[in-house]
Amino acid sequence: GAVVSQHPSWVICKSGTSVKIECRSLDFQATTMFWYRQFPKQSLMLMATSNEGSKATYEQGVEKDKFLINHASLTLSTLTVTSAHPEDSSFYICSARGGTSGGARADTQYFGPGTRLTVL
Amino acid sequence: AQTVTQSQPEMSVQEAETVTLSCTYDTSESDYYLFWYKQPPSRQMILVIRQEAYKQQNATENRFSVNFQKAAKSFSLKISDSQLGDAAMYFCAYRSANHAGNMLTFGGGTRLMVKP
Repeated sequence: GAVVSQHPSWVICKSGTSVKIECRSLDFQATTMFWYRQFPKQSLMLMATSNEGSKATYEQGVEKDKFLINHASLTLSTLTVTSAHPEDSSFYICSARGGTSGGARADTQYFGPGTRLTVL
Repeated sequence: AQTVTQSQPEMSVQEAETVTLSCTYDTSESDYYLFWYKQPPSRQMILVIRQEAYKQQNATENRFSVNFQKAAKSFSLKISDSQLGDAAMYFCAYRSANHAGNMLTFGGGTRLMVKP
């Protein structure tokens, strides 16, 4: 139990285009999901907290108009990188917090496999 | 704000031996959770072990155990009988039990190499 998927696993796009990354909790409901960015050989940097049915909470320094987050259901959150530029190239990881249903332990975050974004 | 520090950027261990990874944290809260996550080359973050601060007993998961010293704000991870598959980045993480967002604060990570 407690599986989180991300799609796509790797995307290459041209500068100026928008890219959508999906994060799904497969066997549990997640009222809260998190989006992280990870640079090579560095730790995870929290970008935003996504709550089902409400606006995401962004960390300081993260542009909300640049990184659009939608948490439309209890099992799906999406991150859209708008007008991507080469400096947006990175590894993006989502996580979902377990709740009272499914196989996830309460108050533990379960991570997706990540999405490698390369902007040419 | 809480901070998590992993003072060992890299560690190595001989296969079948035991290794301990260090983690210290700073918080003014009394109720919180601590985690160790493993990130292998695939970059999938895997939960290794978790500890509730209100529990005095150290958490264990098979070959993985922690030494939780609440007063010292220390949370080290011991890996016994190390295996080649244990080679990975290990991240220590803190989560408040009271914060509404329940976000994780990560340490900088420790790269563990396992020598055959």
